[in-house]
Amino acid sequence: DAGITQSPRYKITETGRQVTLMCHQTWSHSYMFWYRQDLGHGLRLIYYSAAADITDKGEVPDGYVVSRSKTENFPLTLESATRSQTSVYFCASSEEGRGGNTIYFGEGSWLTVV
Amino acid sequence: LAKTTQPISMDSYEGQEVNITCSHNNIATNDYITWYQQFPSQGPRFIIQGYKTKVTNEVASLFIPADRKSSTLSLPRVSLSDTAVYYCLVEGRALTFGSGTRLQVQP
Repeated sequence: DAGITQSPRYKITETGRQVTLMCHQTWSHSYMFWYRQDLGHGLRLIYYSAAADITDKGEVPDGYVVSRSKTENFPLTLESATRSQTSVYFCASSEEGRGGNTIYFGEGSWLTVV
Repeated sequence: LAKTTQPISMDSYEGQEVNITCSHNNIATNDYITWYQQFPSQGPRFIIQGYKTKVTNEVASLFIPADRKSSTLSLPRVSLSDTAVYYCLVEGRALTFGSGTRLQVQP
């Protein structure tokens, strides 16, 4: 059971470049999420999706774009990467968005913008 | 959105019981309370979840008073491997995490 996988795990990119982080889950969970975690800090929600073709902003959506054409995939794109977007990005999924459901996290994608 | 408040850090010794309290004054009727554990360089993982009173599993206990405005995660007899960050999550429309509590267990 693969669960939830993220790619790439590690990425170094230059300021101004477009970067896409991929997320794939095998459970057919309805909800998927993207969080970022800056060094020594907690998790902040970037975007989430309740189902295919339905996405919504979280706490810190600026500079990011998401799409969800298929239930199992939820890519996160940094349209023009900035140094402030250097962070660890976690993708997550759950069966539902509330009501006693568990969130399952991927292993993270370490992104450095130079 | 229900906002949570936890202590930033706690220290303990091996074999002791650790209690971490989370405040969530604006919890909604439908909200559950879930705790997650995060080790360095890993994604958070589920520990325990509850709605009211007490819940216990093989890892921890969760105590929730009648007004549900706070909850306490109890880790019995901690070991060095329990050193991690612990997050209290009160589910809302957007599943937001707080800053967590950094637990350091000493030998």
